[in-house]
Amino acid sequence: GQNIDQPTEMTATEGAIVQINCTYQTSGFNGLFWYQQHAGEAPTFLSYNVLDGLEEKGRFSSFLSRSKGYSYLLLKELQMKDSASYLCAVTDSNYQLIWGAGTKLIIKP
Amino acid sequence: IAGITQAPTSQILAAGRRMTLRCTQDMRHNAMYWYRQDLGLGLRLIHYSNTAGTTGKGEVPDGYSVSRANTDDFPLTLASAVPSQTSVYFCASSSGGTSSNEQFFGPGTRLTVL
Repeated sequence: GQNIDQPTEMTATEGAIVQINCTYQTSGFNGLFWYQQHAGEAPTFLSYNVLDGLEEKGRFSSFLSRSKGYSYLLLKELQMKDSASYLCAVTDSNYQLIWGAGTKLIIKP
Repeated sequence: IAGITQAPTSQILAAGRRMTLRCTQDMRHNAMYWYRQDLGLGLRLIHYSNTAGTTGKGEVPDGYSVSRANTDDFPLTLASAVPSQTSVYFCASSSGGTSSNEQFFGPGTRLTVL
């Protein structure tokens, strides 16, 4: 079956760095997405990786290793507004998105 | 409007009733999707449409139907609601065509079936 694993919850301190991991087992791979979802709101796009390596976008970076079925989202200089759930999703061989359950990130002052 | 709108925002429904959740986008996106999101589970695809006039079943299609008469609208119908359909429903769209196209989400509909 298809499976995406992420930690359920993480806690970090304002101003620090946090890494949210995602491992996946899917039928085929056509790219990996990270989305941010604040409580009670819709998911919004953060990043997309299809090739191995690091993609940097401001305070957020996303890494992919296709051979290991592994990705991480790195958030730097954490701000209170970064408190949200972070969703990992993989595009499978049918070009459908398979979603992880999300990681709830709690930022403490 | 800009983006995707959904209606209603929330609804409490008696079991056995019929309900249609509305979704409209103005981005001229080809592909549209309906997901449900339950606590502790990832977004699960109910139905999708790659282009106007076509629809497909997702991971959890039972008890739901959709239609795509035009590019902009993608309504989701629960023919006879059951309590297990209590969830938050998100409509999404993408330009489609390639795997790199991000999906844009509507604000969601919170549905409670009693």
